[in-house]
Amino acid sequence: EADIYQTPRYLVIGTGKKITLECSQTMGHDKMYWYQQDPGMELHLIHYSYGVNSTEKGDLSSESTVSRIRTEHFPLTLESARPSHTSQYLCASSEYIGQETQYFGPGTRLLVL
Amino acid sequence: SQQGEEDPQALSIQEGENATMNCSYKTSINNLQWYRQNSGRGLVHLILIRSNEREKHSGRLRVTLDTSKKSSSLLITASRAADTASYFCATDAGANSKLTFGKGITLSVRP
Repeated sequence: EADIYQTPRYLVIGTGKKITLECSQTMGHDKMYWYQQDPGMELHLIHYSYGVNSTEKGDLSSESTVSRIRTEHFPLTLESARPSHTSQYLCASSEYIGQETQYFGPGTRLLVL
Repeated sequence: SQQGEEDPQALSIQEGENATMNCSYKTSINNLQWYRQNSGRGLVHLILIRSNEREKHSGRLRVTLDTSKKSSSLLITASRAADTASYFCATDAGANSKLTFGKGITLSVRP
């Protein structure tokens, strides 16, 4: 089992609230990713990072933001949650060079009322 | 645009039978990977096959890659109820190692 953790696992929150989804890994991986996945659907990359102080937008436009101040930590923030943000958010990591396998956390299920 | 596309969308088999899942993609790739996702959980990496490989085995898993047809198949032999999950193929097409996932195949193995 991969050493990558996400909190909270489940979150129900009202519209307009600011939320931060936490993701941490203890493998020392440089690359980290955030995916959004609706039930029964494919994963969409919304943010990724090559390392500390590096953040890039993914293939799917997202109103969320990320930061990478420490190698092991890659939090995702929604300044003002809306019902359209209801989804599962998956965090993953991989070594930077020569290791394409991604290791996933258990996910955060977000419900915005 | 979606790179990997799995087929079938859903598969139901009896325990002990083999399960074959297919994935097609559109552009040249460096490698193709298969992942498993149990309900409500994150993905777990199963196997990676590089573009210069044609077949790879790992335990009860066998994956093939046909770059001329831009397709891959995942075979799970002697299936077990615990194999019930969604299976995703993911392609790595660039130097920055971003993966593009398909929609997944839902496999149900009946005891």
